[in-house]
Amino acid sequence: DAKTTQPTSMDCAEGRAANLPCNHSTISGNEYVYWYRQIHSQGPQYIIHGLKNNETNEMASLIITEDRKSSTLILPHATLRDTAVYYCIVRVVAGTYKYIFGTGTRLKVLA
Amino acid sequence: DVKVTQSSRYLVKRTGEKVFLECVQDMDHENMFWYRQDPGLGLRLIYFSYDVKMKEKGDIPEGYSVSREKKERFSLILESASTNQTSMYLCASSEDTRLTEQYFGPGTRLTVT
Repeated sequence: DAKTTQPTSMDCAEGRAANLPCNHSTISGNEYVYWYRQIHSQGPQYIIHGLKNNETNEMASLIITEDRKSSTLILPHATLRDTAVYYCIVRVVAGTYKYIFGTGTRLKVLA
Repeated sequence: DVKVTQSSRYLVKRTGEKVFLECVQDMDHENMFWYRQDPGLGLRLIYFSYDVKMKEKGDIPEGYSVSREKKERFSLILESASTNQTSMYLCASSEDTRLTEQYFGPGTRLTVT
Protein backbone atom coordinates (compact mmCIF):
# COMPACT_ATOMS: atom_id res chain seq x y z
CA ASP A 1 0.00 0.00 0.00
CA ALA A 2 1.04 3.58 -0.58
CA LYS A 3 2.05 5.39 2.57
CA THR A 4 2.86 8.94 3.56
CA THR A 5 5.73 10.50 5.47
CA GLN A 6 5.37 13.81 7.29
CA PRO A 7 7.48 15.78 9.76
CA THR A 8 6.43 15.12 13.31
CA SER A 9 5.93 18.77 14.24
CA MET A 10 6.21 22.33 12.95
CA ASP A 11 5.77 25.84 14.31
CA CYS A 12 4.37 28.79 12.41
CA ALA A 13 3.91 32.43 13.39
CA GLU A 14 0.35 33.70 13.43
CA GLY A 15 -0.56 35.49 10.19
CA ARG A 16 2.19 33.78 8.21
CA ALA A 17 1.73 30.98 5.70
CA ALA A 18 2.05 27.47 7.06
CA ASN A 19 3.58 25.03 4.56
CA LEU A 20 3.16 21.41 5.52
CA PRO A 21 5.08 18.89 3.40
CA CYS A 22 4.21 15.29 2.70
CA ASN A 23 6.13 12.56 0.93
CA HIS A 24 4.14 9.85 -0.86
CA SER A 25 6.75 8.42 -3.19
CA THR A 26 4.96 5.06 -3.59
CA ILE A 27 1.69 6.58 -4.79
CA SER A 28 0.12 5.03 -7.86
CA GLY A 29 -1.64 6.70 -10.76
CA ASN A 30 -5.21 6.55 -9.49
CA GLU A 31 -4.58 7.29 -5.83
CA TYR A 32 -5.72 10.66 -4.53
CA VAL A 33 -3.94 12.69 -1.85
CA TYR A 34 -6.16 13.96 0.96
CA TRP A 35 -5.49 16.26 3.86
CA TYR A 36 -7.38 16.19 7.13
CA ARG A 37 -6.71 17.90 10.41
CA GLN A 38 -7.58 17.02 13.96
CA ILE A 39 -7.98 19.68 16.57
CA HIS A 40 -7.49 18.47 20.11
CA SER A 41 -10.39 16.34 21.40
CA GLN A 42 -12.29 16.47 18.11
CA GLY A 43 -12.63 14.07 15.21
CA PRO A 44 -10.58 14.63 12.02
CA GLN A 45 -11.88 17.29 9.65
CA TYR A 46 -11.54 17.21 5.88
CA ILE A 47 -9.47 20.04 4.36
CA ILE A 48 -8.72 19.36 0.69
CA HIS A 49 -7.80 16.66 -1.80
CA GLY A 50 -6.20 16.33 -5.24
CA LEU A 51 -4.96 13.91 -7.86
CA LYS A 52 -2.33 15.74 -9.91
CA ASN A 53 -3.39 19.35 -10.32
CA ASN A 54 -2.98 21.99 -7.66
CA GLU A 55 -6.16 22.69 -5.75
CA THR A 56 -7.46 25.58 -3.68
CA ASN A 57 -10.49 26.02 -1.49
CA GLU A 58 -11.57 28.38 1.27
CA MET A 59 -9.41 26.59 3.81
CA ALA A 60 -6.15 25.85 2.04
CA SER A 61 -4.16 25.19 -1.11
CA LEU A 62 -2.66 21.89 -2.15
CA ILE A 63 0.44 21.80 -4.32
CA ILE A 64 1.29 18.42 -5.84
CA THR A 65 4.64 17.92 -7.58
CA GLU A 66 4.61 16.88 -11.20
CA ASP A 67 5.89 13.40 -10.41
CA ARG A 68 3.23 13.16 -7.62
CA LYS A 69 5.78 11.88 -5.13
CA SER A 70 5.19 14.73 -2.73
CA SER A 71 2.76 17.50 -1.91
CA THR A 72 2.47 20.58 0.28
CA LEU A 73 -0.53 21.87 2.14
CA ILE A 74 -0.54 25.64 2.45
CA LEU A 75 -2.56 27.55 5.03
CA PRO A 76 -2.09 31.07 3.66
CA HIS A 77 -2.62 33.04 6.87
CA ALA A 78 -2.36 30.76 9.86
CA THR A 79 -4.36 31.60 12.98
CA LEU A 80 -4.18 30.20 16.48
CA ARG A 81 -7.24 28.08 15.69
CA ASP A 82 -5.22 26.26 13.02
CA THR A 83 -3.15 24.59 15.72
CA ALA A 84 -3.85 20.91 15.11
CA VAL A 85 -2.43 17.63 13.83
CA TYR A 86 -2.47 17.57 10.04
CA TYR A 87 -2.73 14.24 8.24
CA CYS A 88 -1.64 13.64 4.68
CA ILE A 89 -3.49 10.61 3.41
CA VAL A 90 -3.46 8.49 0.31
CA ARG A 91 -6.78 7.02 -0.72
CA VAL A 92 -6.06 3.50 -1.80
CA VAL A 93 -8.07 1.87 -4.56
CA ALA A 94 -7.78 -1.91 -4.39
CA GLY A 95 -11.15 -3.41 -5.13
CA THR A 96 -12.69 -1.07 -2.58
CA TYR A 97 -11.68 2.34 -1.33
CA LYS A 98 -9.99 3.16 1.92
CA TYR A 99 -7.81 5.79 3.49
CA ILE A 100 -4.33 5.09 4.79
CA PHE A 101 -3.69 7.56 7.59
CA GLY A 102 -0.14 8.28 8.71
CA THR A 103 1.02 9.75 11.99
CA GLY A 104 0.56 13.39 10.94
CA THR A 105 2.31 16.71 11.61
CA ARG A 106 1.57 18.58 14.80
CA LEU A 107 1.34 22.25 13.76
CA LYS A 108 1.60 24.85 16.47
CA VAL A 109 0.67 28.40 15.49
CA LEU A 110 2.45 30.89 17.72
CA ALA A 111 1.09 34.31 18.71
CA ASP B 1 -24.34 19.99 8.55
CA VAL B 2 -23.55 16.32 8.65
CA LYS B 3 -23.63 14.98 12.14
CA VAL B 4 -21.92 11.82 13.30
CA THR B 5 -22.55 10.96 16.92
CA GLN B 6 -21.02 8.29 19.11
CA SER B 7 -22.81 6.86 22.10
CA SER B 8 -20.13 7.64 24.69
CA ARG B 9 -17.16 10.00 24.96
CA TYR B 10 -15.52 7.96 27.71
CA LEU B 11 -15.96 4.32 28.62
CA VAL B 12 -14.24 2.07 31.15
CA LYS B 13 -14.66 -1.69 30.87
CA ARG B 14 -13.10 -4.76 32.44
CA THR B 15 -11.05 -7.38 30.63
CA GLY B 16 -13.28 -10.05 29.12
CA GLU B 17 -16.40 -7.90 28.92
CA LYS B 18 -18.35 -7.59 25.68
CA VAL B 19 -18.33 -3.96 24.62
CA PHE B 20 -20.61 -2.17 22.18
CA LEU B 21 -19.66 1.16 20.62
CA GLU B 22 -22.48 2.83 18.73
CA CYS B 23 -22.29 5.32 15.91
CA VAL B 24 -25.17 7.17 14.24
CA GLN B 25 -25.11 9.50 11.24
CA ASP B 26 -27.99 11.68 10.12
CA MET B 27 -27.17 12.35 6.46
CA ASP B 28 -28.28 9.10 4.82
CA HIS B 29 -24.69 8.19 3.97
CA GLU B 30 -24.04 4.80 2.42
CA ASN B 31 -20.58 4.33 3.90
CA MET B 32 -19.52 4.09 7.52
CA PHE B 33 -16.17 3.36 9.13
CA TRP B 34 -14.57 2.50 12.45
CA TYR B 35 -11.01 3.57 13.23
CA ARG B 36 -8.86 3.41 16.30
CA GLN B 37 -6.28 6.06 17.10
CA ASP B 38 -3.20 5.40 19.20
CA PRO B 39 -0.23 7.68 19.96
CA GLY B 40 2.49 7.33 17.35
CA LEU B 41 0.35 5.11 15.10
CA GLY B 42 -2.13 7.54 13.54
CA LEU B 43 -5.61 6.30 12.65
CA ARG B 44 -6.01 2.67 11.67
CA LEU B 45 -9.09 1.29 9.93
CA ILE B 46 -10.83 -1.55 11.77
CA TYR B 47 -13.95 -2.22 9.67
CA PHE B 48 -16.09 -0.42 7.16
CA SER B 49 -19.51 -0.86 5.60
CA TYR B 50 -20.79 0.21 2.19
CA ASP B 51 -24.39 -0.76 2.77
CA VAL B 52 -26.82 -2.16 5.29
CA LYS B 53 -25.79 -5.63 6.44
CA MET B 54 -22.59 -5.35 4.47
CA LYS B 55 -19.14 -5.15 6.08
CA GLU B 56 -15.53 -5.37 5.08
CA LYS B 57 -12.40 -5.80 7.15
CA GLY B 58 -9.97 -2.97 7.43
CA ASP B 59 -6.35 -3.20 8.49
CA ILE B 60 -6.81 -4.40 12.08
CA PRO B 61 -10.09 -6.34 12.43
CA GLU B 62 -8.83 -8.95 14.90
CA GLY B 63 -10.76 -8.92 18.15
CA TYR B 64 -13.58 -6.80 16.70
CA SER B 65 -16.82 -7.34 14.88
CA VAL B 66 -19.41 -4.93 13.50
CA SER B 67 -23.11 -4.71 12.87
CA ARG B 68 -25.07 -2.56 10.45
CA GLU B 69 -28.76 -3.38 10.65
CA LYS B 70 -29.91 0.11 9.67
CA LYS B 71 -28.32 2.59 7.30
CA GLU B 72 -27.77 5.26 9.92
CA ARG B 73 -26.23 3.06 12.60
CA PHE B 74 -22.91 1.22 12.65
CA SER B 75 -21.86 -0.64 15.77
CA LEU B 76 -18.41 -1.82 16.75
CA ILE B 77 -18.29 -4.84 19.05
CA LEU B 78 -15.40 -5.99 21.16
CA GLU B 79 -16.28 -9.64 21.78
CA SER B 80 -14.00 -10.00 24.80
CA ALA B 81 -12.26 -6.75 25.69
CA SER B 82 -8.53 -6.83 26.35
CA THR B 83 -6.17 -4.20 27.69
CA ASN B 84 -4.53 -3.75 24.29
CA GLN B 85 -7.87 -2.49 23.01
CA THR B 86 -7.60 0.58 25.21
CA SER B 87 -7.71 3.34 22.63
CA MET B 88 -9.61 6.22 21.08
CA TYR B 89 -12.27 4.90 18.68
CA LEU B 90 -13.50 7.11 15.87
CA CYS B 91 -16.50 6.55 13.65
CA ALA B 92 -16.87 8.20 10.24
CA SER B 93 -19.34 8.29 7.37
CA SER B 94 -19.16 9.35 3.75
CA GLU B 95 -21.61 9.88 0.97
CA ASP B 96 -20.20 7.75 -1.83
CA THR B 97 -17.73 5.00 -2.52
CA ARG B 98 -15.15 7.44 -3.82
CA LEU B 99 -14.74 8.73 -0.26
CA THR B 100 -14.43 12.32 -1.40
CA GLU B 101 -14.94 13.40 2.17
CA GLN B 102 -15.36 11.56 5.43
CA TYR B 103 -17.21 13.06 8.37
CA PHE B 104 -15.95 12.00 11.77
CA GLY B 105 -17.61 11.69 15.12
CA PRO B 106 -16.01 13.09 18.30
CA GLY B 107 -14.56 9.74 19.36
CA THR B 108 -14.96 7.35 22.27
CA ARG B 109 -12.03 6.92 24.61
CA LEU B 110 -12.20 3.32 25.82
CA THR B 111 -10.16 2.11 28.75
CA VAL B 112 -10.00 -1.62 29.45
CA THR B 113 -8.75 -2.50 32.91
